[in-house]
Amino acid sequence: QLQLQESGPGLVKPSETLSLTCTVSGDSITSASHYWGWIRQPPLKGLEWIGNIYYTGSTDYNPPLKSRVTISLDTSKNQFSLRLTSVTAADTGVYYCARQVVGGDYGAWGQGVLVTVSS
Amino acid sequence: EIVLTQSPGTLSLSPGEGGTLSCRASEPVNSNYFAWYQQRPGQAPRLLIYTSSTRAPGVPDRFSGSGSGTDFTLSISSLEPEDYAVYYCHQYTKSPQTFGQGTKVEIK
Repeated sequence: QLQLQESGPGLVKPSETLSLTCTVSGDSITSASHYWGWIRQPPLKGLEWIGNIYYTGSTDYNPPLKSRVTISLDTSKNQFSLRLTSVTAADTGVYYCARQVVGGDYGAWGQGVLVTVSS
Repeated sequence: EIVLTQSPGTLSLSPGEGGTLSCRASEPVNSNYFAWYQQRPGQAPRLLIYTSSTRAPGVPDRFSGSGSGTDFTLSISSLEPEDYAVYYCHQYTKSPQTFGQGTKVEIK
């Protein structure tokens, strides 16, 4: 059974780097059939796409975040990660990792992790 | 980027009633690359409909999706208590992928 689980600090100071990891079980992140992505949700707001990574290491990022975002793979641990630099309070929210079918939808999501940016 | 605008912002319905949610795109979207998600309070989004009209596994047939071009709809017939949630549309025709701002279905 496919499961995605986010992990990482729940509190990050302004100007520092947010780092999250998504551990995947029940599928391989080296699958050619899927992208692995991050989506976030500010408090009481809608969903914002952050970006995706493919098993080849190819990435696609949302332009407003592109200069601050890195998504990477760790195939030895079947994990993928998110780094977001120079965070501000506007980066506070729930961060979800998810699996997207190539050319398709986000059919599987992690439970989400709340990250608060505050000093 | 393709902006998705959902209406109404809130839909008040009684149990057993049906309703229609709308999602309008700022430019034409390939209907094969369009989806709807349901998000209950405190939970992650759940895929309901993909390729604009195909129900995801396990989704009750009271949910149906339709549309093409710039106009898409999600219809819910005979609301059940578990259907009260926020619904988001999503396009993956063109990068960046975008989501609508959501429609909340609340108890009337």
